[in-house]
Amino acid sequence: DAGVTQSPTHLIKTRGQQVTLRCSPKSGHDTVSWYQQALGQGPQFIFQYYEEEERQRGNFPDRFSGHQFPNYSSELNVNALLLGDSALYLCASSLGSGVRSYEQYFGPGTRLTVT
Amino acid sequence: EDQVTQSPEALRLQEGESSSLNCSYTVSGLRGLFWYRQDPGKGPEFLFTLYSAGEEKEKERLKATLTKKESFLHITAPKPEDSATYLCAVQAESGGSNYKLTFGKGTLLTVNP
Repeated sequence: DAGVTQSPTHLIKTRGQQVTLRCSPKSGHDTVSWYQQALGQGPQFIFQYYEEEERQRGNFPDRFSGHQFPNYSSELNVNALLLGDSALYLCASSLGSGVRSYEQYFGPGTRLTVT
Repeated sequence: EDQVTQSPEALRLQEGESSSLNCSYTVSGLRGLFWYRQDPGKGPEFLFTLYSAGEEKEKERLKATLTKKESFLHITAPKPEDSATYLCAVQAESGGSNYKLTFGKGTLLTVNP
């Protein structure tokens, strides 16, 4: 059973640049959520995609945007990178509806370093 | 605003020494409370979902319980391989339009042989 996959594993960018992170959900899942985890903190919700639409958004600026493709995979884009954007970016997948829809399963994350 | 507080921040145990981790929460209607395990530099691994007060779930040496204000993760006779950060998260009802998980900062558990 294929779990959630993310790419790349690590990324180093310079302030002001743009970055795109990718996620493929667990087999059978159709919903993708993105979280940002700073060192020593719990994950913070960025947004969730379902049926190729942003269904909910957390308290993140418009520099953070996303997309979901017809095969349910997703991208997270961050523009005009700041030093404070350095973090572990986590993708989680779930079912869009139904009894088990609350359970979110996480990928291994992408470590982004902004210099 | 939903809030999750975990205690202690860090816990050191000897192998075989049982203990509990605490997760206190404030949420406007609980849809679910979730426990995850996270190893350094990796994504959180799903452990349990609890939906209502009085519910209990078990998995190997771990047992999670839930009351109306807090959840406990009991670790019985831990082994060094149980060393990890344990994260607690809640999902609020919010009229059916809330899907996000709100996390605590986690408890770093170290089990010495």
